[in-house]
Amino acid sequence: AQSVTQLGSHVSVSEGALVLLRCNYSSSVPPYLFWYVQYPNQGLQLLLKYTSAATLVKGINGFEAEFKKSETSFHLTKPSAHMSDAAEYFCAVSDLSLQGAQKLVFGQGTRLTINP
Amino acid sequence: EAQVTQNPRYLITVTGKKLTVTCSQNMNHEYMSWYRQDPGLGLRQIYYSMNVEVTDKGDVPEGYKVSRKEKRNFPLILESPSPNQTSLYFCASSLSGLNEKLFFGSGTQLSVL
Repeated sequence: AQSVTQLGSHVSVSEGALVLLRCNYSSSVPPYLFWYVQYPNQGLQLLLKYTSAATLVKGINGFEAEFKKSETSFHLTKPSAHMSDAAEYFCAVSDLSLQGAQKLVFGQGTRLTINP
Repeated sequence: EAQVTQNPRYLITVTGKKLTVTCSQNMNHEYMSWYRQDPGLGLRQIYYSMNVEVTDKGDVPEGYKVSRKEKRNFPLILESPSPNQTSLYFCASSLSGLNEKLFFGSGTQLSVL
C-alpha cells in the first residue's frame, strides 16, 4: 500500500521568501501524485498533479513541484511567498487496494504561516 | 457554478441519534467519495462510489453508511453516532476517478456529545 510522509507539520516563512514543503511517498511504480491546498474554513483545492508526463509540474498561484524518483520525493515550492499563501497543504498519492478499490492517500498536512 | 454542496456546515448531536450529511454535485461526475479530517492524520477515506452501481469501503468505514441512488447525490449516514466520530467531513467528486482532479465540498464539522 502507498503511504505519504510530509516533513514538518508547521512551516513558517517571511513574505517574499522561498516556500519549500516536503513530501515523500512510498511506491515501487510511478504513482499519480497531487498537492492540495486548504484555506481556512474551506474544502481542499487542487494545486497540481504529477502524471509522469514531466518531472517538473507547474500549478496554480505560482507553485510548482518536482518529481524525483530516486528520492521518492515530490516537494512543493514557490519562489516568493505571499500572505495569501497561508493555508494547510496536503500531499497525496493515488493507490489501488487489493480489492481494486481506488484510494487517495493523504499526508498529514503542513500548515504554512507567512510572516509580514 | 460547478460545485459540491454539503449540508449542514455544522452539526452537534448526541450519542446514538441517527444523522445524515447530504452531498450533491452539479458537474455530472461519476466518482464521489467521503473523507474525514482529523488533526495530525490528514484525510482518510470513508467510502467511495465509482458510479451509481458501484460503492465500496475506504480506509475507515466502520460506523458509516452511504447511498448512491442517483448520480448527483451521495449522502453519508451515521446510524448510531459515537464521540469518536467527531470530526470534519468532506465530500468530493471527480469526473471518473481518483487520478483526476477532485472537487471538494466546504466540509461538515460534526460534534457527537
